[in-house]
Formats: sequence, structure tokens, C-alpha cells
Amino acid sequence: ETGVTQSPTHLIKTRGQQVTLRCSSQSGHNTVSWYQQALGQGPQFIFQYYREEENGRGNFPPRFSGLQFPNYSSELNVNALELDDSALYLCASSSGGPSNYGYTFGSGTRLTVV
Amino acid sequence: KNEVEQSPQNLTAQEGEFITINCSYSVGISALHWLQQHPGGGIVSLFMLSSGKKKHGRLIATINIQEKHSSLHITASHPRDSAVYICALDRGSQGNLIFGKGTKLSVKP
Repeated sequence: ETGVTQSPTHLIKTRGQQVTLRCSSQSGHNTVSWYQQALGQGPQFIFQYYREEENGRGNFPPRFSGLQFPNYSSELNVNALELDDSALYLCASSSGGPSNYGYTFGSGTRLTVV
Repeated sequence: KNEVEQSPQNLTAQEGEFITINCSYSVGISALHWLQQHPGGGIVSLFMLSSGKKKHGRLIATINIQEKHSSLHITASHPRDSAVYICALDRGSQGNLIFGKGTKLSVKP
């Protein structure tokens, strides 16, 4: 399978709830990174997973957590949602080695917290 | 001071014009990415550069490592080029791309 698929595309949650966002990467892409993009801003790095283990983390609290599975899919979980968590969440995958374009991005999940 | 700055923030051009978007940065990098983001949110990776120049169709990207500066050029611009163009720094460790705020390009027919 080619490309990176994210689901759902849009989601509305209530403050305090929990959410799981999903990303299905290209076959062979063993590295996945998650980013949060607030309106009008550039994406901010949340964390990266490599071969099912967290391999780096940005400045996000522990209520942001993730999982990566052997079938090249991954999840971003956010607990105790806050209004400021409303954003576009992007995942990007790579094979971990050099390539012409480096990363393949998904189309994102737009999360609205009310 | 932000580690990466893009200019201009907004750009309006007439169809056919030659367009240049600039990216300056202040940290050491292993590569620089140029990305395109359409209103729906999805990001398309255009180029990954570590030196010199790359060309893909009407798009040309250059980087000067010594001056910590990169440019993205679009020749013969077209309304379908309208999008936000983002440069992102790759410091080579742990997937932590550092993104610029983007340049919003609008090409009028």
C-alpha cells in the first residue's frame, strides 16, 4: 500500500474526554512522527516512533501518548482533552534512511475540542 | 528568535509570474524540506535538500548551507500552485522537524 492514511479526518470531542487518532503508513516505513498544527501556525513535533518504541519527544505533556504496531500503523492518544488541543494532527512516515523526499505526510485529522 | 523564518508570509501573484519564497535558519541542519499544504490540511513533500539545487517540473529549490538560506522558486505560476509553502529543518535526530510558519501563496488567473 502506498501513501499515508489518517483517520478520522474530522472529530469533535468534549473537554475532558479521551481521543485516539490513527495513522496507516506505507509498507516498509518503520518510522512515524506525529505533529500538532494549530490554526495559522507551523506543525509542532509531538513524538516519533521507530520500530514500535518512542524515539524522541517534543514539548508535550504525558497525556499525549502513542503506539506503533508491526503492520506500520500507529496511534496518537490524548487524555483529558483541553480546548487548546483543538488542532490539525499530522503523521509523517519514513523508511528511516535517506530518500529523495524523506517523509510522506498524511492528510491529517482535524480535532475540535468543545 | 525563531530558528526558522520564512518570507514573505503572504504572496499574491498573477498567473505566469516567477515566484520566490525564502527560508532562513539559524541552527545546524542535516537537510531542509520544502512542503506544500493545501487548504484541506494535507502536506505534500516537495524537496529534501542538503546542498545545491533540485528541480522538479516548474519547481526549483536551492540551499546555501554557509549562509543558512534556502529558496523555493516556481516558474510560470498557475492558480493550482495556490497553497501554503512551508520550509522545515531536519536536524537529523529523532524526527524532530522544525517547521516555519509558512508562506501563503495565491496565484490569480
